[in-house]
Amino acid sequence: DTGVSQNPRHKITKRGQNVTFRCDPISEHNRLYWYRQTLGQGPEFLTYFQNEAQLEKSRLLSDRFSAERPKGSFSTLEIQRTEQGDSAMYLCASSNRDRAYEQYFGPGTRLTVT
Amino acid sequence: EDQVTQSPEALRLQEGESSSLNCSYTVSGLRGLFWYRQDPGKGPEFLFTLYSAGEEKEKERLKATLTKKESFLHITAPKPEDSATYLCAVRYSNSGYALNFGKGTSLLVTP
Repeated sequence: DTGVSQNPRHKITKRGQNVTFRCDPISEHNRLYWYRQTLGQGPEFLTYFQNEAQLEKSRLLSDRFSAERPKGSFSTLEIQRTEQGDSAMYLCASSNRDRAYEQYFGPGTRLTVT
Repeated sequence: EDQVTQSPEALRLQEGESSSLNCSYTVSGLRGLFWYRQDPGKGPEFLFTLYSAGEEKEKERLKATLTKKESFLHITAPKPEDSATYLCAVRYSNSGYALNFGKGTSLLVTP
């Protein structure tokens, strides 16, 4: 069990640019989640996949955000036309069938929009 | 609106000084309460899941309990390595698999 991995760990981009983050869940986990965390706050739910199907999306997920999980393995989160308010830690988590509600988090991708 | 409130926001303890952290939540539709530990610059680390009032879970110096209105994370004889932010999260019946997190309690244990 190598845990959830995320890449890159840090990303600095200029306002208006597009960015893409990758998440590799724990290998036997079929559920994958994206959260966003800003300083001093708890993580906020963005979206959830079961296998390759995107089953839940938060209203926080504006039309500039898109997530995919092709083939039900790794996932990508893309932010188009980044804004300074997008600066945050983007966290990925996964869970398995047996203990579906216990979510295990990756180290996160820290995004800074300048 | 469903809410998760943690207190205190910050707590400073001497090594060996036991204490408790609180997590209160909106009662209706609870489908699970979760405790996580988060170190600076890292993702949350799963600690415990509690599902029903009266349930207790223990791990080393940590013990989590659940009542109908709140949960406590008891820290017995803490060590400096227990310093971290402790997050509480709740899953509600109308929120699918999404976890609703509190803002956390920042714990500092000094030698």
